[in-house]
Amino acid sequence: GENVEQHPSTLSVQEGDSAVIKCTYSDSASNYFPWYKQELGKGPQLIIDIRSNVGEKKDQRIAVTLNKTAKHFSLHITETQPEDSAVYFCAASSSGTYKYIFGTGTRLKVLA
Amino acid sequence: SAVISQKPSRDICQRGTSLTIQCQVDSQVTMMFWYRQQPGQSLTLIATANQGSEATYESGFVIDKFPISRPNLTFSTLTVSNMSPEDSSIYLCSVLDRAAGNTIYFGEGSWLTVV
Repeated sequence: GENVEQHPSTLSVQEGDSAVIKCTYSDSASNYFPWYKQELGKGPQLIIDIRSNVGEKKDQRIAVTLNKTAKHFSLHITETQPEDSAVYFCAASSSGTYKYIFGTGTRLKVLA
Repeated sequence: SAVISQKPSRDICQRGTSLTIQCQVDSQVTMMFWYRQQPGQSLTLIATANQGSEATYESGFVIDKFPISRPNLTFSTLTVSNMSPEDSSIYLCSVLDRAAGNTIYFGEGSWLTVV
């Protein structure tokens, strides 16, 4: 079955710096890769996603890149702000199953 | 995106009791899911709630422990039966939103503490 590894488990950056979180997956059939942000006491919120037919997607300060050959994808947050502090989860799924396999999460702290 | 409401949002339960969590969606959805998130951990799929038929459980989860109902396309319940402290977790309802490109959205979760 699919396995998703996520690194780092914790990440501290200064406000205004960039943050990068990386995930690798094992199942070559996976073709959809969402990223979720979970703030304390709340459910996971979808922030960006990418499908296997593109290599990069950007939404304002957030971008995701995908390398299908290497089976890894990354979340990039630029110009970080204190409100970006949260736990971020990557996930992978293959079309038709809608079963998401989640990474172990990254706790991001943006220091003011 | 679909708006998902869960009740209760938080509860403290006695060992050996059962608790039912409700999930209400503001629009009809084909697929609903229940996830568990143990303290400080990632999300694990418990089961897919099927409308009009029995839920489909993932490995390690059984119907006797986590009975699920899905009476219609906007509502589902998850019961956590005969609870032990190991069941202390966040239980999350999620839905597949086809209108949003087959994306899965989560409710705010139900935080259960078993004492």
